[in-house]
Amino acid sequence: DAGVIQSPRHEVTEMGQEVTLRCKPISGHDYLFWYRQTMMRGLELLIYFNNNVPIDDSGMPEDRFSAKMPNASFSTLKIQPSEPRDSAVYFCASSFRGLGNQPQHFGDGTRLSIL
Amino acid sequence: AQTVTQSQPEMSVQEAETVTLSCTYDTSESDYYLFWYKQPPSRQMILVIRQEAYKQQNATENRFSVNFQKAAKSFSLKISDSQLGDAAMYFCAYKRETSGSRLTFGEGTQLTVNP
Repeated sequence: DAGVIQSPRHEVTEMGQEVTLRCKPISGHDYLFWYRQTMMRGLELLIYFNNNVPIDDSGMPEDRFSAKMPNASFSTLKIQPSEPRDSAVYFCASSFRGLGNQPQHFGDGTRLSIL
Repeated sequence: AQTVTQSQPEMSVQEAETVTLSCTYDTSESDYYLFWYKQPPSRQMILVIRQEAYKQQNATENRFSVNFQKAAKSFSLKISDSQLGDAAMYFCAYKRETSGSRLTFGEGTQLTVNP
């Protein structure tokens, strides 16, 4: 079975540019999570969806960040305009129902560098 | 809010030896789930082992086992017969029992395996 697929794997862009990160969850999973990993803050949840509906976006740092899930097989995380402090590894994860001990399965992450 | 603490930023072990990684957490809930994830240099997040708080028996997965002390809110990971491929960053994570809840991660422990 294919795991969570993220693209691109690496992104380098100049500050002020729009950045779009993409995620395809595991088929059949109804929860999708976006995490950010930095040295300073570790792994932190940005937002998560259930059945394509955003449930908790309290981790989204500011209005420059937005996330969408137009269907069950695709989600995007957009940063506009990007800033150097947004440089991090962004992970997408999915799980089935999110119940109990069902683990979250992570993609390989997107390493984002804002110059 | 739940917090997860890993007090050992770095650990090292000789190949074939045993090492224990520590994790403590803070919660007021009685039902929850605990996980250990491994992140090798490839930066994948790989589930190592999971534990349900309502189970008294410690989880075991081959060479990996946990020592779950609910009253002490402690969840340590023991790796037996360490292998070079075990070298990675290890994250302890907490998840509430309710569906769709987020993972709260510790700061991570970098494990080095010496040949």
